[in-house]
Amino acid sequence: EDKVVQSPLSLVVHEGDTVTLNCSYEVTNFRSLLWYKQEKKAPTFLFMLTSSGIEKKSGRLSSILDKKELFSILNITATQTGDSAVYLCAVAGANSKLTFGKGITLSVRP
Amino acid sequence: DAGVTQSPTHLIKTRGQQVTLRCSPKSGHDTVSWYQQALGQGPQFIFQYYEEEERQRGNFPDRFSGHQYPNYSSELNVNALLLGDSALYLCASSLARGQETQYFGPGTRLLVL
Repeated sequence: EDKVVQSPLSLVVHEGDTVTLNCSYEVTNFRSLLWYKQEKKAPTFLFMLTSSGIEKKSGRLSSILDKKELFSILNITATQTGDSAVYLCAVAGANSKLTFGKGITLSVRP
Repeated sequence: DAGVTQSPTHLIKTRGQQVTLRCSPKSGHDTVSWYQQALGQGPQFIFQYYEEEERQRGNFPDRFSGHQYPNYSSELNVNALLLGDSALYLCASSLARGQETQYFGPGTRLLVL
């Protein structure tokens, strides 16, 4: 059975800090790993990663995948209060079915 | 460009009742997946529809069923509701061919009393 484990489950930081969110996985027929941000309801897409070692960046957010060690990290630099959310990691296996982790709750204090 | 839409936004039912949730995919998408998200948990895959057929299914009982229409919109039906069915139900759409990125709707919050 496909499995995704995220860590830590929650963290509290101050504005301006840098955070690293972790995601490890076990999946058959790996196709891609995706990161989403969930603030209230709809998870919003951040990144999709398919190849090891290629960093994806969007503003202060970046992510990288290691297919040998089966993990990914999501970095957020110069955090802002608007970054407070649940960050979900998911892996796409056979037929693009997504398996999610439990999510990481990030709280950024002013 | 309209994103994924879902209706209703909130719903309250009692045990034993039946419920139907609706989803319209993002323009140009042909595949719809449904997820159940309990409080404090990540979304759990229920099933996926493509070309009006259930393409694959997660570990959910037969009380959970669905349908996809020719215009790609989809319904999720849950029969004989249990208290444990209370959750946020998310619909996601994607393209069958190419990348796996799924775009989510705002969800339907179901409360079973």
